[in-house]
Amino acid sequence: AQSVSQHNHHVILSEAASLELGCNYSYGGTVNLFWYVQSPGQGLQLLLKYFSGDTLVQGIKGFEAEFKRSQSSFNLRKPSVHWSDAAEYFCAVSLNDYKLSFGAGTTVTVRA
Amino acid sequence: DGGITQSPKYLFRKEGQNVTLSCEQNLNHDAMYWYRQDPGQGLRLIYYSQIVNDFQKGDIAEGYSVSREKKESFPLTVTSAQKNPTAFYLCASSFDLMGQPWAGYTFGSGTRLTVV
Repeated sequence: AQSVSQHNHHVILSEAASLELGCNYSYGGTVNLFWYVQSPGQGLQLLLKYFSGDTLVQGIKGFEAEFKRSQSSFNLRKPSVHWSDAAEYFCAVSLNDYKLSFGAGTTVTVRA
Repeated sequence: DGGITQSPKYLFRKEGQNVTLSCEQNLNHDAMYWYRQDPGQGLRLIYYSQIVNDFQKGDIAEGYSVSREKKESFPLTVTSAQKNPTAFYLCASSFDLMGQPWAGYTFGSGTRLTVV
């Protein structure tokens, strides 16, 4: 079955530590890839997206993600997290049909 | 400012009642979507509409209904047939640009529905 997997459900790290969140998908063919962030009780905000071209994409708030076709992965990274980065992060995939399929999300907790 | 407005932010429903969640956008987006969010399950697609007066079922449409009479509006009705309606509901919209890079969704701030 087609799916989007985020293997880490909860990540806890200290402020200024580096962050990497994993995302794997099982769709065949061409995919468009997204990372969204959600603060508690709020909607989702787009961090970055990948359609084609350079496999390392830069997003807002200092986030970046790397697309690896051979691994069907689109991992999100940030070199140094801030307390304000505590939120839930969702990876999503589109098959050019203008619908998104989401992973289960990863909750990030940042300790002072 | 352009955006998506969901109302109300909190909604309480008694067993057996239908309730309607509002979603309005002024982004001139073609497509609109409803997702349900439960803890640990991500977002699941309920219904979507790519054009006025047309909509399609998503993965979990049972117990829900929608209408798309205007481009700006896509209300969701949670009927009494939905056995477990307590959840966070998110509305989203997007352009539908055939052959063009897609920008993804713009989301509303959500409605939390609780059955009491």
